[in-house]
Amino acid sequence: EAGVTQFPSHSVIEKGQTVTLRCDPISGHDNLYWYRRVMGKEIKFLLHFVKESKQDESGMPNNRFLAERTGGTYSTLKVQPAELEDSGVYFCASSPVTGTVETQYFGPGTRLLVL
Amino acid sequence: AQSVSQHNHHVILSEAASLELGCNYSYGGTVNLFWYVQYPGQHLQLLLKYFSGDPLVKGIKGFEAEFIKSKFSFNLRKPSVQWSDTAEYFCAVTSVIKAAGNKLTFGGGTRVLVKP
Repeated sequence: EAGVTQFPSHSVIEKGQTVTLRCDPISGHDNLYWYRRVMGKEIKFLLHFVKESKQDESGMPNNRFLAERTGGTYSTLKVQPAELEDSGVYFCASSPVTGTVETQYFGPGTRLLVL
Repeated sequence: AQSVSQHNHHVILSEAASLELGCNYSYGGTVNLFWYVQYPGQHLQLLLKYFSGDPLVKGIKGFEAEFIKSKFSFNLRKPSVQWSDTAEYFCAVTSVIKAAGNKLTFGGGTRVLVKP
């Protein structure tokens, strides 16, 4: 079974540019989560999709961040325009929907550096 | 709001030494508890989890953790570490309330270096 994949693995952009991160969850997993780890800080929740619907986006930092999951499969996270403080590692995780709490399976992360 | 505190940012120890990593959480309700590990160059993977029942849970690679409700703690232990246990370890919690959506709240992580 393929795990959660993320693309790109690394991205270096200049302040003001746009970057789009992609996450492919494990096939059949309806739950998809985005998290971020800024250097030196803890991993923080950004948002949660159930299929194509945003279940919880309380962790999104501001309106420069836009997440989509059209069709309920892969998800994209766009940062526009990027700022220096957006640098960090962006993780995606997925889990099935069973009505109970399930283990979240994480992707390798995308390292974003904004210069 | 939930918060998770891991007591040590860095731990250095020799092979065969015992390891204990502290984790305390702050939350007014019932939680589910997790320890995740990230080995160098790899992605986060689950070590063990506690949902209910026996508060002493066993995970992969010889790790175990004990949930002490009165202390709001979920410390991770391994009696004898190996060089391959070098990694960063994360404690995390979720609320059992379904409406909370199962988002994980993480501690700051503990980097463990095991010297051969």
